[in-house]
Amino acid sequence: AQSVAQPEDQVNVAEGNPLTVKCTYSVSGNPYLFWYVQYPNRGLQFLLKYITGDNLVKGSYGFEAEFNKSQTSFHLKKPSALVSDSALYFCAVRDRWGNAGNMLTFGGGTRLMVKP
Amino acid sequence: ETGVTQTPRHLVMGMTNKKSLKCEQHLGHNAMYWYKQSAKKPLELMFVYSLEERVENNSVPSRFSPECPNSSHLFLHLHTLQPEDSALYLCASSQDWAPVPGFSTDTQYFGPGTRLTVL
Repeated sequence: AQSVAQPEDQVNVAEGNPLTVKCTYSVSGNPYLFWYVQYPNRGLQFLLKYITGDNLVKGSYGFEAEFNKSQTSFHLKKPSALVSDSALYFCAVRDRWGNAGNMLTFGGGTRLMVKP
Repeated sequence: ETGVTQTPRHLVMGMTNKKSLKCEQHLGHNAMYWYKQSAKKPLELMFVYSLEERVENNSVPSRFSPECPNSSHLFLHLHTLQPEDSALYLCASSQDWAPVPGFSTDTQYFGPGTRLTVL
């Protein structure tokens, strides 16, 4: 079985400061990892994914994430936060040898609050 | 959000009503999903269709009935719902490669959701 943990319900950061949203995962094989963002009353928007290769993945809106196999983590980062980054962030994982349907398991979400 | 569209965006219904949620994807994908997002709960996968066949039914009550008439359209038929069914219902699509089911690196793309309130 696969699982994802986002240990922080909320992360507060000042505008212009770096931000990190944490994610750890568990899969039986090699993982595919994803980050999504959700703005109020909207669906989930894809930010970035790790499939293979370079452990540092760059995505939309200046976000990046680092895959760390030994720590089974995939933390989301941004060097300089914007107020407009305030939203709900979801980490998701699937086992590379998953079942039909490309099914993901999502974490519980982390609310990012960026204050001016 | 033009890739995956959902209608209606908001729906209020009584417990005895019958209604349907519609999802349409314009991305040429062959897998579609229904998720339920409730306050303070993780995103719950409800149904998965791959190549128009249901491949996952995640112990969802029978008052929710999915339908996938073709690879671009997905419906969720609702009847005799309960107030605890009030939630944001999200549709997603992705490419699921056959004939090796599951061996896909493709991303799921989500619609904007339908906010359902059951009175």
